[in-house]
Amino acid sequence: IQLTQSPSSLSASVGDRVTITCRAGQDISSFLAWYQQRPGNAPKVLIYAASTLQSGVPSRFSGSGSGTDFTLTISSLQPEDFATYHCQQFKSYPVTFGQGTKVEIK
Amino acid sequence: EVQLVESGGGLVRPGGSLRLSCAASGFSFSDHYMDWVRQVPGKGLEWLGRSRDKAHHYSTEYAASVQGRFTISRDASKDSLYLQMNILTTEDTAVYHCARVRTSGSYDLDFWGQGTLVTVSS
Repeated sequence: IQLTQSPSSLSASVGDRVTITCRAGQDISSFLAWYQQRPGNAPKVLIYAASTLQSGVPSRFSGSGSGTDFTLTISSLQPEDFATYHCQQFKSYPVTFGQGTKVEIK
Repeated sequence: EVQLVESGGGLVRPGGSLRLSCAASGFSFSDHYMDWVRQVPGKGLEWLGRSRDKAHHYSTEYAASVQGRFTISRDASKDSLYLQMNILTTEDTAVYHCARVRTSGSYDLDFWGQGTLVTVSS
C-alpha cells in the first residue's frame, strides 16, 4: 500500500501550527502511525492507531483521519520539533512508510 | 528499560554476506513481534521484514525487495534477533534498525535501536 506524504518539506517558525498529510493508496482503516526522527537518531513513535498519542509525547502533537487520508498536526511548533516526520501503515503486508516530511526552521 | 542494540554492520563487497544482530533487554522478547527497518542516509525508511512472537512460532514476513536474500531469525535463549543478508548489492547500503512491534492491537514500532551501518562497496 503506497503512502504519499505532503509536503516533502516545509519551513516554519517557532509557534506556528504545522500540518502534514499522509494519503494511502487504499483503505487502511486506522492502521497508521506517525514517527519523528531527529538527525542522527532513530525514529520515535508519536501517534499510533491514527490518533492515539504515545505516552510521554507532548500534547501539541495530534493525529486524525481514517481510511485513506490522515493528518499530523503540531499545534505550536517548538525548537525541538524540527525533524523529519514519517507515516507508516500496518494494515497489510508489506508494511510501508511514507517518504518523509522534513520540517525546517524558517 | 527497553533497550535494542544492533551490531554486525560494516563494509562488505558486492555479492557478499553479513549477519546483523539485535540484542533486546527490558521486556519479554518472546512475546513481541520484531521488525527490521533500514534507511539509506538522507532517504526514507524501508521495512524489511518481521519475526512474529513465540505464540505464532516466530513466523516471518518479508518485503519483496529482500525476499529470498534476507532471513530473519531469533535466539530466544539470548533475547536476540538476527538478519542474515546474502547476495548484497550497493543498493543495500543503509543503516539497519531493529524495532519492537507494539502488542496492544496496533502494530506500530514502539521502540527502535540506534541502528548499525552496512556499506556495500568494492
